[in-house]
Amino acid sequence: DAGITQSPRHKVTETGTPVTLRCHQTENHRYMYWYRQDPGHGLRLIHYSYGVKDTDKGEVSDGYSVSRSKTEDFLLTLESATSSQTSVYFCAIKGTLGAFFGQGTRLTVV
Amino acid sequence: GESVGLHLPTLSVQEGDNSIINCAYSNSASDYFIWYKQESGKGPQFIIDIRSNMDKRQGQRVTVLLNKTVKHLSLQIAATQPGDSAVYFCAESFSGGGADGLTFGKGTHLIIQP
Repeated sequence: DAGITQSPRHKVTETGTPVTLRCHQTENHRYMYWYRQDPGHGLRLIHYSYGVKDTDKGEVSDGYSVSRSKTEDFLLTLESATSSQTSVYFCAIKGTLGAFFGQGTRLTVV
Repeated sequence: GESVGLHLPTLSVQEGDNSIINCAYSNSASDYFIWYKQESGKGPQFIIDIRSNMDKRQGQRVTVLLNKTVKHLSLQIAATQPGDSAVYFCAESFSGGGADGLTFGKGTHLIIQP
């Protein structure tokens, strides 16, 4: 797992509620990423971070925000969850020897 | 936008045979490529990577070939085993050392027949 932990692993939430997913790394990597994986779309980049308090948008950033107050933690927030945000979310880190993923968070919005 | 794709959604091979999974990429500026394996319910697992200054790289039972002329990437798995059954993704980046995220293809499901 390259020292990446995602929490929670599973979550069911109601439409309109805020949700925060956490990614924690122990490798002290500078770059961290949030992806979502959906059938027919593969893995798509939501947001990424290139350092503490340095973040940028990816391909599918609408409805999501991120924060990185410490090197080891990268948080993804769904400000007001919608059914279209039902997905599996993966955090990744990138180092000099490649990019590595966490185990994923399965989020269901009902 | 630029995208990375795979030629076949499903590949079925006999146990013990060699497997070849192909990938075409469209961004000629891409300079870093990775193959991932994803088993059901798990995150993508790094298999092997290659930079654009190389044509071939070998790992344990796996080889990645890069043909920049036709923008084609392949993953060869030698002596395929039941544990190789998974979805395989290729991914590209045009800034291997920077913050840019990876662009993924949709995956090829490798099925191993006994």
